[in-house]
Amino acid sequence: AQSVTQPDIHITVSEGASLELRCNYSYGATPYLFWYVQSPGQGLQLLLKYFSGDTLVQGIKGFEAEFKRSQSSFNLRKPSVHWSDAAEYFCAVVPQAGNKLTFGGGTRVLVKP
Amino acid sequence: GAGVSQTPSNKVTEKGKYVELRCDPISGHTALYWYRQSLGQGPEFLIYFQGTGAADDSGLPNDRFFAVRPEGSVSTLKIQRTERGDSAVYLCASSLVVTADTQYFGPGTRLTVL
Repeated sequence: AQSVTQPDIHITVSEGASLELRCNYSYGATPYLFWYVQSPGQGLQLLLKYFSGDTLVQGIKGFEAEFKRSQSSFNLRKPSVHWSDAAEYFCAVVPQAGNKLTFGGGTRVLVKP
Repeated sequence: GAGVSQTPSNKVTEKGKYVELRCDPISGHTALYWYRQSLGQGPEFLIYFQGTGAADDSGLPNDRFFAVRPEGSVSTLKIQRTERGDSAVYLCASSLVVTADTQYFGPGTRLTVL
């Protein structure tokens, strides 16, 4: 069955430190990949997406993600975290010829001053 | 431009009642999606529309759930005989085209069934 796994439920990071959120997927073929962020009371905002090409993708708010086909992973990174990055982050995939997003369970990020 | 909007933002109802949740997609977007997000989980697909027709309703949990999009724009998710387990945030998204396009989400409707 198709699935998306985000192994870390919670991550606490100090402001200014680096952040990496893990995402692994299980699909028959390489899907299209997305990272969304959800702040309290807010809808899901797209951070970045990977369809094809360069496996290092730049997004908004200083985030980037790297697609690794051999590991079926699409990890999200940020070099220096700001307090405003405290939120829940969701990895999601959609088949290349499909439409339904399948989401991981999310990782909640807490930022310490 | 205006994003996806959803009304109401919060809905509290009693078990057994009927509710309607509304979604206004981004203008010009042909595809519209409904997802449900239970507490502490990622969103789960319910149904999507291409134009006026429901192209895939495989995620609807049972026949108490129904959605329409009569003019190919606004959509309404309808839940009959609500149960406590229906309590969740209902998210709507739209995209310009259907296949593997970026989906833009609304703020959601938080439904609480007492």
